[in-house]
Amino acid sequence: GAGVSQSPSNKVTEKGKDVELRCDPISGHTALYWYRQSLGQGLEFLIYFQGNSAPDKSGLPSDRFSAERTGGSVSTLTIQRTQQEDSAVYLCASTGVSNQPQHFGDGTRLSIL
Amino acid sequence: QKEVEQNSGPLSVPEGAIASLNCTYSDRGSQSFFWYRQYSGKSPELIMFIYSNGDKEDGRFTAQLNKASQYVSLLIRDSQPSDSATYLCAVQPSSNTGKLIFGQGTTLQVKP
Repeated sequence: GAGVSQSPSNKVTEKGKDVELRCDPISGHTALYWYRQSLGQGLEFLIYFQGNSAPDKSGLPSDRFSAERTGGSVSTLTIQRTQQEDSAVYLCASTGVSNQPQHFGDGTRLSIL
Repeated sequence: QKEVEQNSGPLSVPEGAIASLNCTYSDRGSQSFFWYRQYSGKSPELIMFIYSNGDKEDGRFTAQLNKASQYVSLLIRDSQPSDSATYLCAVQPSSNTGKLIFGQGTTLQVKP
């Protein structure tokens, strides 16, 4: 597609459930980033992929969070045993070269009941 | 000290005026600087980027960078009500992974 595509656009789930969020980057973009935007914390970096490897995972808040990328394209962010503080908008961005501008998808709004 | 600081605003300007948005950063080795616009309920949209000291102009937008002062700004000329949004300053620190560190954003209100 023309832009970064994320799914689902909205996800409501109960505390304790696992969730998977998907990101399909712009075709040909090798660098992929996950960010989280919540009311109290602003926009925070979570993880960076270059191809299928993740050289920077420093923003993942706990071991309940994990991410993978396959085929140098689609990435999934998994949150296990969700907590209410995980409620946020999860944004994905991609770029062809890591220091070039990043383009964001529309995000997944995650609500934990 | 936060890594990237912005005045949260709101900054209110009349239609047609110049809006000036400011940002300071703490990592002196930062190389790349970005301004994103975010409308309520939407994702950030890139509007400007700048890598070198000085000014960079694109239409009504001018980005200004002063690495010695660790300061980056965005000027919006002939402000329109449609420019009303939150403006996020983002900095790539010297770690070279390309991750962005964002300020909290400045809310701009352009009044007709």
